Parts: sequence; C-alpha cells; structure tokens
Amino acid sequence: KAGVTQTPRYLIKTRGQQVTLSCSPISGHRSVSWYQQTPGQGLQFLFEYFSETQRNKGNFPGRFSGRQFSNSRSEMNVSTLELGDSALYLCASSLGQGNPGELFFGEGSRLTVL
Amino acid sequence: AQKITQTQPGMFVQEKEAVTLDCTYDTSDPSYGLFWYKQPSSGEMIFLIYQGSYDQQNATEGRYSLNFQKARKSANLVISASQLGDSAMYFCAIEVSGGTSYGKLTFGQGTILTVHP
Repeated sequence: KAGVTQTPRYLIKTRGQQVTLSCSPISGHRSVSWYQQTPGQGLQFLFEYFSETQRNKGNFPGRFSGRQFSNSRSEMNVSTLELGDSALYLCASSLGQGNPGELFFGEGSRLTVL
Repeated sequence: AQKITQTQPGMFVQEKEAVTLDCTYDTSDPSYGLFWYKQPSSGEMIFLIYQGSYDQQNATEGRYSLNFQKARKSANLVISASQLGDSAMYFCAIEVSGGTSYGKLTFGQGTILTVHP
C-alpha cells in the first residue's frame, strides 16, 4: 500500500514568487492536512481538507491557500513568498471520520526562499 | 485550545536500555487522542503509537509503550531495548474530537533522542 507522496521534495524560490506543493494521500483516505515546520515555531497546522472541502484552518495569512481534488489529492499554494516561509511543509492523510485516528505523514517538501 | 509540553530538549540512552520521553498535555475536551511521532533527519514523520482518552489500557506497539496517566495529563513514551536507529526527534501530539478539529494535531517542541553504542 503506497504511503503519502509529496512533490517536489526540495525547491528553491526567491522572494515574491509563488509555489505550489502537491500531496497524494494513501488510497482510501479522504482527509488531507498540511503543516509547516520551522526551527523557531515548530510544527504548525495550516489547514485540512475532506472531500474537497476545507474543514479546518490554522492561523496563517491569506497567502497560504489550498485545495483538494475529487481523487483526494491536495495542493497548497503560497503566494508572494517571504524569507520566513522557508520551511519543511508536511502533508498528512487519514480517513477523516469518527474519533481521532492515525495521521500518516509524507516525507515533506523542503522550501527555501532566497 | 490544546497544548503539549515536552520538557526534555535532548535525551541520551545506551543501546539496549530503556528510555522514557516525557509529555504532558492540556485540553478541556473530554474526547481526544494522543500521538507520538518519530522524525529522523530525512524529515518524514513516522507514526509510533496512539492513545485515546477513553482507552482503559495503555497502548503498546512493539518496543513502544505509552504510559498514560489521565489524571496527571501525561502521556510518556517508553522505548524498550533502544537501538541505534532510534536516534531521532520525537514529537508528542494531541487531536481533539469534533468536526472542526479533524486533521489538526497540536505538537510539542520535540525531544532529540541519541542512542549511544
């Protein structure tokens, strides 16, 4: 059974550019969550999608957005990149229903903003 | 709001010995789940163990066990028979039940575990 796949694994952008990251969840999982990990702030929740609908959102500016497709794959976009957006972006998938359950993470996309 | 506190920035253990990583949590929700993840230098978050707030018994998964003390709001991870490959960052996290909380884990700051041969 394939795990959570994130692409690209590494990318370098410059300030002001935008970036799109992709996440393919485990087959059968309908929930996809996104997290930002930085040395200073640790792991912070960005948003969660279930069946193409955003159910939950963290405290990030509007430059951070996401979407989910009918096949449960998800993308997140960061516009007008800032140096502080340099981070490891992790995606997690789960069944998304019932009581809290296991979230399975991908290997992450490491973004460097110059 | 939920909060996770991991008070040990770094821990050292000898190979084959047991080690306990501390985690305390704070939430007002009666229904929640507690997680431990391992993050090696590659970056991937590897699920280790889960404990539900209504589970009567402590969770175990192979060499991992969770010492769940609900009244004290602690959920310590115990790794038995440490291996060199256990060297990594370990995160404790909580998720509460409810429609607006799905997929939202609140993480602690992590503990770096180093296993010495």
